[in-house]
Amino acid sequence: DIQMTQSPSSLSASVGDRVTITCRASQTIGTYLNWYQQKPGKAPNLLIYVASSLQSGVPSRFSGNGYGTDFTLTISSLQPEDFATYYCQQSYSNPYTFGRGTKVEIK
Amino acid sequence: QGQLVQSGAEMKKPGASVKVSCKAFGYTFTSYYMHWVRQAPGQGLEWMGMINPSGGFTSLAQKFQGRVTMTSDTSTSTVYMHLSSLTSEDMAIYYCARASSSLYYYYGVDVWGQGTTVTVS
Repeated sequence: DIQMTQSPSSLSASVGDRVTITCRASQTIGTYLNWYQQKPGKAPNLLIYVASSLQSGVPSRFSGNGYGTDFTLTISSLQPEDFATYYCQQSYSNPYTFGRGTKVEIK
Repeated sequence: QGQLVQSGAEMKKPGASVKVSCKAFGYTFTSYYMHWVRQAPGQGLEWMGMINPSGGFTSLAQKFQGRVTMTSDTSTSTVYMHLSSLTSEDMAIYYCARASSSLYYYYGVDVWGQGTTVTVS
């Protein structure tokens, strides 16, 4: 199975901050990488697919980058509604494993 | 855009089986793969497998092979996930989630059910 390692596991940031979350795959996955946001008690929400494509309806302050094994999710200016947990997921091979998540908290 | 409505919470004894349903509304049911993802209390997301509702082809995580069956009923636009031999480690919220693209299976999932809580006790 492909292991997905996210860092950091949690971070504290202020409204307006630029935030970057990293996801590393245990083997190359091209751009088969998706990012999700999950708020407490809710189902996840797709933000980015194939590493850098913004899902319809997702604010443009979210962006994704990367290829191969190293990927990033960036929030250019953190908003109050962005405090949540973020997960990466590889869709290169079965099983489509998720990272363990990055919790973004208010500083 | 689509909506997925799942069956209600289940409480099962160890060793029993559970069958969760996921009914689709508002899109062409047979055009999009359906995935199942679970989340244990306070934990992260775990991908279980996916099914092509048109034809019933499934791709399951090896961890669940032999214990999970995914089926679809095109007459009711419903997919089912059956999990047998339950243990306490199967306690989780189970989500169905629709592929975001009818053409590219790897484009993530964009429509999620509300989740079904399975308790094993």
